[in-house]
Amino acid sequence: GDSVTQMEGPVTLSEEAFLTINCTYTATGYPSLFWYVQYPGEGLQLLLKATKADDKGSNKGFEATYRKETTSFHLEKGSVQVSDSAVYFCGVHYNTDKLIFGTGTRLQVFP
Amino acid sequence: DTGVSQDPRHKITKRGQNVTFRCDPISEHNRLYWYRQTLGQGPEFLTYFQNEAQLEKSRLLSDRFSAERPKGSFSTLEIQRTEQGDSAMYLCASSLESGTGELFFGEGSRLTVL
Repeated sequence: GDSVTQMEGPVTLSEEAFLTINCTYTATGYPSLFWYVQYPGEGLQLLLKATKADDKGSNKGFEATYRKETTSFHLEKGSVQVSDSAVYFCGVHYNTDKLIFGTGTRLQVFP
Repeated sequence: DTGVSQDPRHKITKRGQNVTFRCDPISEHNRLYWYRQTLGQGPEFLTYFQNEAQLEKSRLLSDRFSAERPKGSFSTLEIQRTEQGDSAMYLCASSLESGTGELFFGEGSRLTVL
């Protein structure tokens, strides 16, 4: 069935370090791909998206590229800040009209 | 505040009791989704509505769970005869009819079953 696999956390980094959070999905058709973020005490919110192969989504310094050949959508940021500490969820939207999420990766950034 | 709102934010109940959660979506959004999230897991899809029509239900939604959206605006999720395994965060989200996957989530209703 449809599924999303994310790297397990927590990911612990110092401020200004480079971030990568891996995400892969099962390849059934041509889904849209998303990253959602959940800050402490808040609801999930959309961080970025990509709707077709080779598209790059970007927001707040985060980027992810839709790689169809590797069925991946890895999240990257060149220089993380303490305020980026949150849980990040990779999501895949299929034609079934529901968004399927990975298990989430907690990021902790220390000054 | 014009975001998705959920009520109550936290409910503690004894096993066997019934509970009901309410979700008020963003007003112009036709689609409304319910998800369940347990500790350390991502949100799991439960069901969704387009206007008042319930279009899909997950296998996770046992007979003890029922969701309604009677007038195509707010929605309720009722859990009958609660079990300890029902303890989770219940998330509501809404989106425009185009179904792009861009969901707007509420802050969730946390259920604790003792």
